[in-house]
Amino acid sequence: QKEVEQDPGPLSVPEGAIVSLNCTYSNSAFQYFMWYRQYSRKGPELLMYTYSSGNKEDGRFTAQVDKSSKYISLFIRDSQPSDSATYLCATLYSSASKIIFGSGTRLSIRP
Amino acid sequence: DGGITQSPKYLFRKEGQNVTLSCEQNLNHDAMYWYRQDPGQGLRLIYYSQIVNDFQKGDIAEGYSVSREKKESFPLTVTSAQKNPTAFYLCASSIGEVNTEAFFGQGTRLTVV
Repeated sequence: QKEVEQDPGPLSVPEGAIVSLNCTYSNSAFQYFMWYRQYSRKGPELLMYTYSSGNKEDGRFTAQVDKSSKYISLFIRDSQPSDSATYLCATLYSSASKIIFGSGTRLSIRP
Repeated sequence: DGGITQSPKYLFRKEGQNVTLSCEQNLNHDAMYWYRQDPGQGLRLIYYSQIVNDFQKGDIAEGYSVSREKKESFPLTVTSAQKNPTAFYLCASSIGEVNTEAFFGQGTRLTVV
């Protein structure tokens, strides 16, 4: 079993829709949770990170962590064509420097 | 401007050759990482280094080697022992041991011809 599971998609939604991207993880020791966005042929860039359970909002993006079900989500409101990219969830232990990445979900926003 | 620079952007290698991918950062970060990205498999950790002159194997270290002689530099050598080296290679750095943000370079696409 992979430590972090992510549906690869592709996911295609119309502009303006609310997008929900999800990951599950297996190890309850994970403490930090991150979402990266990667445009084609580019390096990933950090969108959001959260520590432990709860929600974190940044503009049109909301990251949500539910440690009881080992489930992490990224919501994108008022989606734009420029949001079309691959989104990678990631997590790490609280005292280690190894980041575990999901396989990424390819998202396409249709104008 | 601070950042991570990977070079070259594209690299072609003949079978049996060793090649070295460059990664330089001017962010004063202690930790540096090398990942490999294949379609549908996300990022897999090859090697990481938390401090100068020290590095650890990641999940897929076989056929690769690294060095960390300077804080700013973490070159990756893809050796002839790596059976399937064609991939997109990403270098990253972070502040230190408990990192919540890894900054990535723009990647090197290696193709074996």
